[in-house]
Amino acid sequence: AQSVTQPDIHITVSEGASLELRCNYSYGATPYLFWYVQSPGQGLQLLLKYFSGDTLVQGIKGFEAEFKRSQSSFNLRKPSVHWSDAAEYFCAGNQGGKLIFGQGTELSVKP
Amino acid sequence: GAGVSQSPSNKVTEKGKDVELRCDPISGHTALYWYRQSLGQGLEFLIYFQGNSAPDKSGLPSDRFSAERTGGSVSTLTIQRTQQEDSAVYLCASSFGVARREEKLFFGSGTQLSVL
Repeated sequence: AQSVTQPDIHITVSEGASLELRCNYSYGATPYLFWYVQSPGQGLQLLLKYFSGDTLVQGIKGFEAEFKRSQSSFNLRKPSVHWSDAAEYFCAGNQGGKLIFGQGTELSVKP
Repeated sequence: GAGVSQSPSNKVTEKGKDVELRCDPISGHTALYWYRQSLGQGLEFLIYFQGNSAPDKSGLPSDRFSAERTGGSVSTLTIQRTQQEDSAVYLCASSFGVARREEKLFFGSGTQLSVL
């Protein structure tokens, strides 16, 4: 079945360090892929999306993601993490018109 | 309204009772989704409405779950004979629809359901 998977349930990084959150997809055709963030007490917010064109997409809050067809991946990156980035991050893919989410990766940021 | 509105924000019920959760999508959005988020779990797709098409119910976990969308706007998710495992946050989202598949979803704040 078409899906997205996030292999890491929980990641801890130091403030100021770089970040990469993994997302793998299994779709036959070029998928539409998204990253959402859910901060404590907040609703889900779109960080960025990919549907065609440049494989490196820029999002809000300094995040970017790269679509790699050869690796079936759409990993989220940020060069320098801030304490306010602590949240749960969800990768999602468009399947038959509906958005299917990965299991999420919880990010903790230590001082 | 300005965003997706869900009510109630919290619902505590007894096992075996029926509950109704309401979602008001953003005006003009033709697509409406229900998801469930359990503690330590990801976002589980439940049901998807797109315009006047038949809803995609493939994510509903059992026949105790049903949803309606009246007039292409407000949606109600009904859970009959609630069980403790139904305890979760139920999230509603809306978008401009499948015609533009890259369209982002706007989420409500969710309804926290607790079944005692």
